[in-house]
Amino acid sequence: NAGVTQTPKFQVLKTGQSMTLQCAQDMNHEYMSWYRQDPGMGLRLIHYSVGAGITDQGEVPNGYNVSRSTTEDFPLRLLSAAPSQTSVYFCASSSGGEGQPQHFGDGTRLSIL
Amino acid sequence: GNSVTQMEGPVTLSEEAFLTINCTYTATGYPSLFWYVQYPGEGLQLLLKATKADDKGSNKGFEATYRKETTSFHLEKGSVQVSDSAVYFCALSEPGSARQLTFGSGTQLTVLP
Repeated sequence: NAGVTQTPKFQVLKTGQSMTLQCAQDMNHEYMSWYRQDPGMGLRLIHYSVGAGITDQGEVPNGYNVSRSTTEDFPLRLLSAAPSQTSVYFCASSSGGEGQPQHFGDGTRLSIL
Repeated sequence: GNSVTQMEGPVTLSEEAFLTINCTYTATGYPSLFWYVQYPGEGLQLLLKATKADDKGSNKGFEATYRKETTSFHLEKGSVQVSDSAVYFCALSEPGSARQLTFGSGTQLTVLP
């Protein structure tokens, strides 16, 4: 089982550039989320989706866009990268049942110069 | 809003020592509680969970009990191994929250041989 697959694993961007972080899951999960991990701050929710065509903002959505056209894919877009977006990004999925855990990808380490 | 407070690290122990990592939470409802573990260079993996008061989650020798009266979910292990060295995150998920997780800041554990 592939589980949750994130690409790329590493990326360096210049300020103002745009890019898309890819996330795909093969578990037929309805719930998908994007988190960012910064030192000493745990993981913070950026955006999430409860199903294809439905997305909503999390705790730190500014500077990021998402869409969910299929159950499997949930890409995260940075429209104009800023140094404050240097972080490790994790995608997660869940079946959504009460108490069911989220399954995480291995992360994308992003540096903005 | 919801919040999770974890014992600050880093924590350094000798092999076979007893481990406790404290976790307390604030939530408006009756959350599910989780401990996740992150090994170097990897994503988060579920370690254990508890979905209602007085439940005990356990896995790989780790245990945590859901204490509603003290709003706590402390992680314990009787005898740690070098392979337990990782970052440990306490998290909660509230019913009706689309299963989104609120994380603590994480505790780095290093076990020395």
